[in-house]
Amino acid sequence: SQQGEEDPQALSIQEGENATMNCSYKTSINNLQWYRQNSGRGLVHLILIRSNEREKHSGRLRVTLDTSKKSSSLLITASRAADTASYFCATERGNKLVFGAGTILRVKS
Amino acid sequence: DGGITQSPKYLFRKEGQNVTLSCEQNLNHDAMYWYRQDPGQGLRLIYYSQIVNDFQKGDIAEGYSVSREKKESFPLTVTSAQKNPTAFYLCASSVLRTGGEWNEQFFGPGTRLTVL
Repeated sequence: SQQGEEDPQALSIQEGENATMNCSYKTSINNLQWYRQNSGRGLVHLILIRSNEREKHSGRLRVTLDTSKKSSSLLITASRAADTASYFCATERGNKLVFGAGTILRVKS
Repeated sequence: DGGITQSPKYLFRKEGQNVTLSCEQNLNHDAMYWYRQDPGQGLRLIYYSQIVNDFQKGDIAEGYSVSREKKESFPLTVTSAQKNPTAFYLCASSVLRTGGEWNEQFFGPGTRLTVL
């Protein structure tokens, strides 16, 4: 089974709205990473949050981490059509980095 | 222009054929990875390598083989033993784990393999 699992599976919003995606994981971690994938392309790293951090920002992205609940959220503020993509969280499982199934975000203009 | 490249972008294979997917990086990364992605699913690790001439199986290594003769290159061969090879294949690289922490992975653009 996947270490990290995102929800929702799909999200459709209007341009300008905020988008929130969640990731839950099962075992303790050193860090959690978020990636974006545009259709038919490779993944692009967005942000890494360490286990001793609770919140991190990068431009319009805000990531939170709650290690007691084993969950993380990715918030994209003031979304744009160009944010349309799949978003994955990645966490450690043993000696591997494991990716969830992703959230498909569609931003309508 | 640093980065990671994969070729070809599209590849068609007849049943019973072996095919090799290329992955090259000029980021001076020690670690390289191969993932398989099926529609609507996350990435599954096929093989990874942390040093030249050494590699380890991931979660779905059966039917695949790799080599790591140079730091920059990590080709993946999809053999005829792989029963359902049609998928999107992604190569990635990173610096080695430091202090037990996984670092950011840099991905290539992917190769879409279709079995005819």
